[in-house]
Amino acid sequence: DADVTQTPRNRITKTGKRIMLECSQTKGHDRMYWYRQDPGLGLRLIYYSFDVKDINKGEISDGYSVSRQAQAKFSLSLESAIPNQTALYFCATSDSPSGATDTQYFGPGTRLTVL
Amino acid sequence: AQSVAQPEDQVNVAEGNPLTVKCTYSVSGNPYLFWYVQYPNRGLQFLLKYITGDNLVKGSYGFEAEFNKSQTSFHLKKPSALVSDSALYFCAVRDRAGGSYIPTFGRGTSLIVHP
Repeated sequence: DADVTQTPRNRITKTGKRIMLECSQTKGHDRMYWYRQDPGLGLRLIYYSFDVKDINKGEISDGYSVSRQAQAKFSLSLESAIPNQTALYFCATSDSPSGATDTQYFGPGTRLTVL
Repeated sequence: AQSVAQPEDQVNVAEGNPLTVKCTYSVSGNPYLFWYVQYPNRGLQFLLKYITGDNLVKGSYGFEAEFNKSQTSFHLKKPSALVSDSALYFCAVRDRAGGSYIPTFGRGTSLIVHP
C-alpha cells in the first residue's frame, strides 16, 4: 500500500551494528505498529503506538526500541543487531476502533539480514 | 486472552475448483475477525472482516468467509480458484472485550493454485 512506506526495503548488516528502520504514512492514522515475520511463525508484534505520546511493547520487544517522531512517522531500532533478528519487518497503521473498523494497512516490508 | 489457529500450513487446489482456507479462534468475549492476503514481495492486504450481523462476509477478489460461532471458526472460501490467488493468507482476531485493541494473527496458510 503506497500510503504506508518503509525504508530501506532491504538491508544487510553485521552483528553488533545499530540499525534503524523507518516507516511513514499518509493515511492520517493515529495507530502504528511494527511486526516481524518469520517463516512458520506468522506475524509477531514488536511495538505499537496509539498516538505520539504513547508507546507500548508487543510480545517480542527485547532487543528493539522505537521512536514515534510524529503522527506520520514511527521508527524501529535494533541497538546491537544479532543474527536471529534476520527477518521481514512490517510497519502497519490503523485508525481508532471507535468506528469498529480496526483494519490494518501494511507497508511493503523491510527484509533485514544480520550476518 | 485471544488466539487464532490456522491448522494448515499449505493448501493445494486446482484452478477452477473451490478453495477453503481454515481458521479457528478463541476469545473470552465476542470476536472481530479478519482475513489478509500477502502476495510475494508485498505487504499484507486486507481481504474482509466480520464485525457483526450476517455470518457470511463477502470481500475482495471474490473471496468470502463464514463466521460460525458454535465452531469458533471463520473459514475463507472462494467458489472457483485462480492461479493468481496463490499467496499467503493470514487470519486475525480481536476480542471485543479486550482493552488493547490489538489483533492477533495466525501463522499463515500458503495457498497454491495449480493450473
